[in-house]
Amino acid sequence: EVQLVESGGGLVQPGRSLRLSCVTSGFNFDDYAMHWVRQAPGKGLEWVSGVSWNSGSIGYTDSVKGRFTISRDNAKNSLYLQMNSLRPEDTALYYCAKDLGIAAAGIDYWGQGTLVTVSS
Amino acid sequence: DIHVTQSPSSLSASVGDRVTITCRASQGITNYLAWYQQKPGKAPRSLIYSASNLQSGVPSRFSGSGYGTDFTLTISSLQPEDFATYYCQQYNTYPLTFGGGTQVEI
Repeated sequence: EVQLVESGGGLVQPGRSLRLSCVTSGFNFDDYAMHWVRQAPGKGLEWVSGVSWNSGSIGYTDSVKGRFTISRDNAKNSLYLQMNSLRPEDTALYYCAKDLGIAAAGIDYWGQGTLVTVSS
Repeated sequence: DIHVTQSPSSLSASVGDRVTITCRASQGITNYLAWYQQKPGKAPRSLIYSASNLQSGVPSRFSGSGYGTDFTLTISSLQPEDFATYYCQQYNTYPLTFGGGTQVEI
């Protein structure tokens, strides 16, 4: 059974940093691309960042470029999102998501999400 | 960036109705389009990839079609458990982008 378990969310002041983690199981982690997708309260889904199977291809949505960094540790079956210079508009539920392929091919599994609240 | 526009933003339908949701990309994306379903308070569920391929376990009343810039998600006979919000997503080019969502009310 595929499992994606996010952690690291919480309440943080504007300008501070937070690191999200996603521990996975039930599939060969290093065979698939991975993504972070967020959802602000009452809003739609927003893709944040994605990384290919070998970290050779990485992408970000424009609003987080230069502030967020995605990474993966294939030995630990884990995905990370380092979030710096956080803003109130980054407040959202952050989902870890598994891709169908080695690069972007559509998402097939989602975690339950970890909530990030940016507020003073 | 490729912009994805979904319509309608919401709809009301009855059990047994045929429902169609459309998604339009701002430029051609071949068939690199997926559809997702999300119920209140839950994580999204993947329905369709490559515009028309059903994910494992998805009922056959769901179907997808389209190529290039115009795509559709069809529910052939709406069931009570289909009350949800539906999103399309293009994955042709980074940054990947979602449509704004379609809320389906029974």
